[in-house]
Amino acid sequence: DIVLTQAPLSVSVTPGESASISCRSSKSLLSSKGITSLYWYLQRPGKSPQLLIYQMSNLASGVPDRFSSSGSETDFTLKISKVETEDVGVYYCGHRLEYPWTFGGGTKLELK
Amino acid sequence: EVKLVEYGGGLVQPGASLRLSCEASGFTFSDFYMEWIRQAPGKGLEWIAASRNKANDYSTVYSASVKDRFTISRDTYKSILYLQMNTLKPEDTAIYYCARGLSHWGQGVMVTVSS
Repeated sequence: DIVLTQAPLSVSVTPGESASISCRSSKSLLSSKGITSLYWYLQRPGKSPQLLIYQMSNLASGVPDRFSSSGSETDFTLKISKVETEDVGVYYCGHRLEYPWTFGGGTKLELK
Repeated sequence: EVKLVEYGGGLVQPGASLRLSCEASGFTFSDFYMEWIRQAPGKGLEWIAASRNKANDYSTVYSASVKDRFTISRDTYKSILYLQMNTLKPEDTAIYYCARGLSHWGQGVMVTVSS
């Protein structure tokens, strides 16, 4: 199974500042079709996960452009610029390259 | 608007069975992969089952943790996704989410397995 390792476990950010979350894969997530199968999700407290980023760098519908993602075949970074109150929650990376689909352990974002 | 609504959760004893349902609306149900993902209390996300779309004969895939105990299926006429869970164990206690291609998620339903 592909293992996704996120860092840090938690991050505390002053509103208006930026935050970065890392996700490392045990295997290349580049598919034979040239798509990097890396996704980012936000789970706000008490809510279902919400898709933020698909195929490594594409913003999901309705997601503000304060969110961005980049990376290589195995190392990825989610950046949140100008953090707002609504950004609080747990961020997960996940892949859909092959079954079983797996997720990282999560990074909790809190406000200072 | 894509909408996924799960129901059927509850408290059951170890060894019991339970069937979860997920009513889908706002899209052509047969065109999309559908999944079940669970989240144990205070833990992360675990993908457990997938039903491919009609073009892929609705074939199914399971995680090792539920294979041979859980069955994912669809009623394409009613646009309902099911998860039949047999021989439940305490470690199956979790919130169960229905999702469409992991891009749209339901609100989740709680399953508690305890004596």
